[in-house]
Amino acid sequence: GAVVSQHPSRVICKSGTSVKIECRSLDFQATTMFWYRQFPKKSLMLMATSNEGSKATYEQGVEKDKFLINHASLTLSTLTVTSAHPEDSSFYICSATQGPEAFFGQGTRLTVV
Amino acid sequence: DAKTTQPPSMDCAEGRAANLPCNHSTISGNEYVYWYRQIHSQGPQYIIHGLKNNETNEMASLIITEDRKSSTLILPHATLRDTAVYYCIVYSGYSTLTFGKGTMLLVSP
Repeated sequence: GAVVSQHPSRVICKSGTSVKIECRSLDFQATTMFWYRQFPKKSLMLMATSNEGSKATYEQGVEKDKFLINHASLTLSTLTVTSAHPEDSSFYICSATQGPEAFFGQGTRLTVV
Repeated sequence: DAKTTQPPSMDCAEGRAANLPCNHSTISGNEYVYWYRQIHSQGPQYIIHGLKNNETNEMASLIITEDRKSSTLILPHATLRDTAVYYCIVYSGYSTLTFGKGTMLLVSP
């Protein structure tokens, strides 16, 4: 099946710094990409939906100035957590879709210290 | 809000069939039913999907009711490695891909 690569798989950063997470569709062009956040023992919470070449649509309660999403091409979307704080520590997962099919990255474990 | 309803947890004995139900009574005509599972600290793994016909692959079978308002994922011979959270999702490619709370399946020896 199609492959979505997410990088890095783990990152530790200092409070106040920014972290960029990449999501790539390796063998297909993704029409839409979704970004999720998952806290321990909780389900995946949709943060934002991004379409190539247009601004991302953020879910209610998600700060667009803090979680910057860039979807510059049909194979790459990036999520930048700006001025990270310990409460931003979480598991971030991306999904790339092609028509009605969705494929997921392996996730990024972010720890802010 | 998620468009699906699943039991929070289920138990299954190793080697037996695991039948995981899902209600999606508000499903639209162009929405597929997808099943994913998530093993701890990993991204969701695709299992199977269908529109209205029953589907089978090497991992599982998907039974969709004729009115499409519910479905059942069947793992024919559950193993310990099938212990995971199973998510049922409806998605068309034109809507958001939203997860509910899923079903925690525990397979025991």
